[in-house]
Amino acid sequence: EADIYQTPRYLVIGTGKKITLECSQTMGHDKMYWYQQDPGMELHLIHYSYGVNSTEKGDLSSESTVSRIRTEHFPLTLESARPSHTSQYLCASSEGGGSNYGYTFGSGTRLTVV
Amino acid sequence: QKEVEQNSGPLSVPEGAIASLNCTYSDRVSQSFFWYRQYSGKSPELIMSIYSNGDKEDGRFTAQLNKASQYVSLLIRDSQPSDSATYLCAVTSRTNAGKSTFGDGTTLTVKP
Repeated sequence: EADIYQTPRYLVIGTGKKITLECSQTMGHDKMYWYQQDPGMELHLIHYSYGVNSTEKGDLSSESTVSRIRTEHFPLTLESARPSHTSQYLCASSEGGGSNYGYTFGSGTRLTVV
Repeated sequence: QKEVEQNSGPLSVPEGAIASLNCTYSDRVSQSFFWYRQYSGKSPELIMSIYSNGDKEDGRFTAQLNKASQYVSLLIRDSQPSDSATYLCAVTSRTNAGKSTFGDGTTLTVKP
């Protein structure tokens, strides 16, 4: 039973389109993260949030933006999709209050830009 | 040097054997250590966490932590083909604002 939900599961979109990847969690977690992962490759942190109205860029330069207006919702937006954005995007969350909590990952969105 | 390094794979063991996965980290003030399992095409799943030196056992899985050597390992006893996956080591530190730093992963194959 997933407590963190990502939609859509798969998305094929044309170059130049604006897209929003949805991520919602029902666990009340303060911390949320977006990762990018190519098949068989490492995870790259692209955005994170430690609470409402708090967002930070991650280690990997990204042309995407995020917002955190509600605790449970952390959408990621690409204003103009390019083929280089083709990848899997993983959303994760963890409890706040320190570093002793692991992450719960969503099922991911596999994005293909043609 | 990467902040979190895992032994390069792939690792192949026969069914029923012990699989040993290793991870070293560079930040001496790291506090929390996690192992995730990621099946091909799926998202990572947290399987073990460890915070203090020593061993922590959960079923067939044992995590071992040695902070002096900056080393954490995962042992899988009685390995099963269903254990075939990529295992990610993650380390969390106050110096990284509580975010986890992930290793590249080690791919394990358990052969029947």
